[in-house]
Amino acid sequence: GQNIDQPTEMTATEGAIVQINCTYQTSGFNGLFWYQQHAGEAPTFLSYNVLDGLEEKGRFSSFLSRSKGYSYLLLKELQMKDSASYLCALMDSNYQLIWGAGTKLIIKP
Amino acid sequence: EADIYQTPRYLVIGTGKKITLECSQTMGHDKMYWYQQDPGMELHLIHYSYGVNSTEKGDLSSESTVSRIRTEHFPLTLESARPSHTSQYLCASSGDRETGELFFGEGSRLTVL
Repeated sequence: GQNIDQPTEMTATEGAIVQINCTYQTSGFNGLFWYQQHAGEAPTFLSYNVLDGLEEKGRFSSFLSRSKGYSYLLLKELQMKDSASYLCALMDSNYQLIWGAGTKLIIKP
Repeated sequence: EADIYQTPRYLVIGTGKKITLECSQTMGHDKMYWYQQDPGMELHLIHYSYGVNSTEKGDLSSESTVSRIRTEHFPLTLESARPSHTSQYLCASSGDRETGELFFGEGSRLTVL
């Protein structure tokens, strides 16, 4: 079967750096996604990793290790607007997305 | 911005009523999805479609049905709503098989009394 684990909630300070981890188990793998979801809104795409390594996109970076079943999302220079839930999602062998429950990130001034 | 629209945004109805949640996209995407999400919980796939006249059930058991008569339109119907159907329903579409980036509508929040 497939399983995704990520912390339920994290707190960080404005201007700081935070790393949100995601671990997964799957028999088939076609990529790992990170989405951002503000309260009451729909998710929006942040990143996609299918090969090992780090993908950088502005203040956000995403890392993947397929052998360890591990990914993280790194947010730098945190801003208050980054307060949101961050969803890790796995694309399985059928190209279907399996979603984690999300990590609620709280940014404090 | 993504061109995918859902109506209604909010709906409060009584038990036993039939409802249809509308979803339309103007991006020409072949793949469309319906997800159900409760507050603070993960998204659950209830239906998906890979093109016109193609519909499949997702991993969440659901009493709803969908149709895909036109590429741009993917409505979700509940024949007889129950309080257990109270949730947020999110429609999404994707045009890229490899990256699988989903574009979501703003959601339909359904409350069944």
